[in-house]
Amino acid sequence: AAGVIQSPRHLIKEKRETATLKCYPIPRHDTVYWYQQGPGQDPQFLISFYEKMQSDKGSIPDRFSAQQFSDYHSELNMSSLELGDSALYFCASSLAASGQETQYFGPGTRLLVL
Amino acid sequence: DAKTTQPTSMDCAEGRAANLPCNHSTISGNEYVYWYRQIHSQGPQYIIHGLKNNETNEMASLIITEDRKSSTLILPHATLRDTAVYYCIVRLPYNTDKLIFGTGTRLQVFP
Repeated sequence: AAGVIQSPRHLIKEKRETATLKCYPIPRHDTVYWYQQGPGQDPQFLISFYEKMQSDKGSIPDRFSAQQFSDYHSELNMSSLELGDSALYFCASSLAASGQETQYFGPGTRLLVL
Repeated sequence: DAKTTQPTSMDCAEGRAANLPCNHSTISGNEYVYWYRQIHSQGPQYIIHGLKNNETNEMASLIITEDRKSSTLILPHATLRDTAVYYCIVRLPYNTDKLIFGTGTRLQVFP
C-alpha cells in the first residue's frame, strides 16, 4: 500500500538559510500534520491542515510557515534557520471522512543546520 | 501536556509476550487510546487503537480496563524487530486532533 512520502530525506543547511520540506500524503487522504523531533526528544506537533485550510497550530516558530495545496500535498517552509532547528521532521496524513481517522507517518526529513 | 503515564523502559525475551502498560486516569468518555511505536529515528508507526472494548489486529492486542483508566498493549511473540519506543496516546478521533507524544516506553527485546 502507498505510504506518506517526504522529500528530501536529508537536508543540510547553514544558519540563516531557508529550507522547504515536502510531504505527499497517502492517496485520498485529506489531512496533513507536521511534527518536529529534536535529538533525544519525542515528536512535537507543529501544524495541521484539513482540506487545504489550517486546522490546528502547535509550537511552530513564526519563522516557519506551511500550506496544503489543491493536490493535498503540503510544504513546510523554514526561514532564518537556527542551529536549534536541526531535527527530524515528520509528516503524517489521515482521512477525515473515515470517522476514527488514524494518522500515518512518513519516514521523515532529517535537517541539519550548520 | 501528555495525558498518559508509561514506564520508561522494559525488557522482554525474544518469543515471549511483551506487556506494555499505560495509565490514563483522566481520559474522557469519548477519547480513544492509540498506540504507536518508533523504531530508531523512523517515522512513528501506528499499532492499534480502541475506545473501551479489547481490540486485536495482526500486530498486537489492546486490553482496556473497564473503568478505562489504564490499558495494556500486548505483543504476543516479541521479536528483535519489536525493539522500539512505544507511545500510548489518548485523543479524540477527529481530524483536527493532534497526537501528543509523551516519553513512551523503550522496549528492548533480547535474544
